[in-house]
Amino acid sequence: LQLQESGARLVQSSQTLSLTCAVSGGSITSGGYSWNWIRQPPGQGLEWIGKIDYSGTTDYSPSLEGHVTILADRSRNQVSLRLTSVTAADTAMYYCARGTVSYFYALDVWGQGTTVTVSS
Amino acid sequence: DIVLTQSPGTLSLSPGDRATLSCRASQSVSSTYLAWYQAKPGQSPRLLIYGASSRATGTPDRFSGGGSGTDFTLTISRLEPEDFAVYFCQQCGGPPMTFGQGTKLEIK
Repeated sequence: LQLQESGARLVQSSQTLSLTCAVSGGSITSGGYSWNWIRQPPGQGLEWIGKIDYSGTTDYSPSLEGHVTILADRSRNQVSLRLTSVTAADTAMYYCARGTVSYFYALDVWGQGTTVTVSS
Repeated sequence: DIVLTQSPGTLSLSPGDRATLSCRASQSVSSTYLAWYQAKPGQSPRLLIYGASSRATGTPDRFSGGGSGTDFTLTISRLEPEDFAVYFCQQCGGPPMTFGQGTKLEIK
């Protein structure tokens, strides 16, 4: 299984950040998995953004709720992230990662990540 | 949200040493949902331990996890050169999932 993030690497402040995670080697609709977005601002730790599971159920970080949407495109086997009204604080490396029920939803496969910079 | 506090922030040791990393939770965490990751510069984090003490596929047996309730540890029995990295704990029972701020394991 491989995950590949893509999307705009430079986003203007107050605009919308959009990223896609393409999944290969497995289906996003396979039972027992969740598809997560995590970010890491420069020099800081990891922050969980949210997830969508195989049934389409989503959960989001309370700190981002209202600004974040995670969708699944079953026909393309990919998961997307939209973050609205971005600020410089949203500048980070963004990762998608798979949560696996057999690992109690720990994140066992990660994409390589993509750097997003929010500019004013 | 459950806050995870890792200590020490930086740990300076030599190859062959034993490393003990701590992760303390602001409230009780089910051991089932406590994981550890290794992160190296330019690489994505790698799952090492899940369920507090179970090694993920490919994790060498020099890595072991333990603890319960609010106190968890990651132990590396004999450090290899490739073990010098940043380690994060995570509680994945959420939502929200939360991560510790990380412990940097550096060569002394």
